[in-house]
Amino acid sequence: DTGVSQNPRHKITKRGQNVTFRCDPISEHNRLYWYRQTLGQGPEFLTYFQNEAQLEKSRLLSDRFSAERPKGSFSTLEIQRTEQGDSAMYLCASSLALADWTDTQYFGPGTRLTVL
Amino acid sequence: SQELEQSPQSLIVQEGKNLTINCTSSKTLYGLYWYKQKYGEGLIFLMMLQKGGEEKSHEKITAKLDEKKQQSSLHITASQPSHAGIYLCGNAGGTSYGKLTFGQGTILTVHP
Repeated sequence: DTGVSQNPRHKITKRGQNVTFRCDPISEHNRLYWYRQTLGQGPEFLTYFQNEAQLEKSRLLSDRFSAERPKGSFSTLEIQRTEQGDSAMYLCASSLALADWTDTQYFGPGTRLTVL
Repeated sequence: SQELEQSPQSLIVQEGKNLTINCTSSKTLYGLYWYKQKYGEGLIFLMMLQKGGEEKSHEKITAKLDEKKQQSSLHITASQPSHAGIYLCGNAGGTSYGKLTFGQGTILTVHP
């Protein structure tokens, strides 16, 4: 299967702990996105990578959040000192962007985070 | 208020019925995407519309873009239980990359 994969699928943690999620995009895709989705809402943009460069971060992404994409392949999203408000589904998407911005994003299955 | 408003928020239909989901934007629609999501899972790409008046179909699902009204509609013909899920519209926003802004979603239930 060559789709976007995310690990873990579920994560339960206690408030104040650090967590890290991993996303493996479709191979050859140069763009990678992170979104967050809470119950009853559509996904909200968090950050975006073009190859290994992180080019935009949403204001939703506080200082406790950090994302990396070393070597332009897989990406990690780390949340430090988790809070109950961080509980959500974290979605990763990748796309192959060529000449313009109308690239189709393909989403992974998501990581559901529960902060107790 | 949200940039993208979807209506209805939820929909319950009997198998075999036709249905329409609407997506209205408060901003210009540069690239309008439709996705389907099963509860607790990721998004599945359905269609992308870019030009005013554009219409695309995939199996029994048809999407249209009315650029002047900044609206898009998703029509399902002869619905089946497999169509059940959450339908989301997303706007590319006209940036140099494809960051998507999503509506809140429409929950579709199809009774056999």
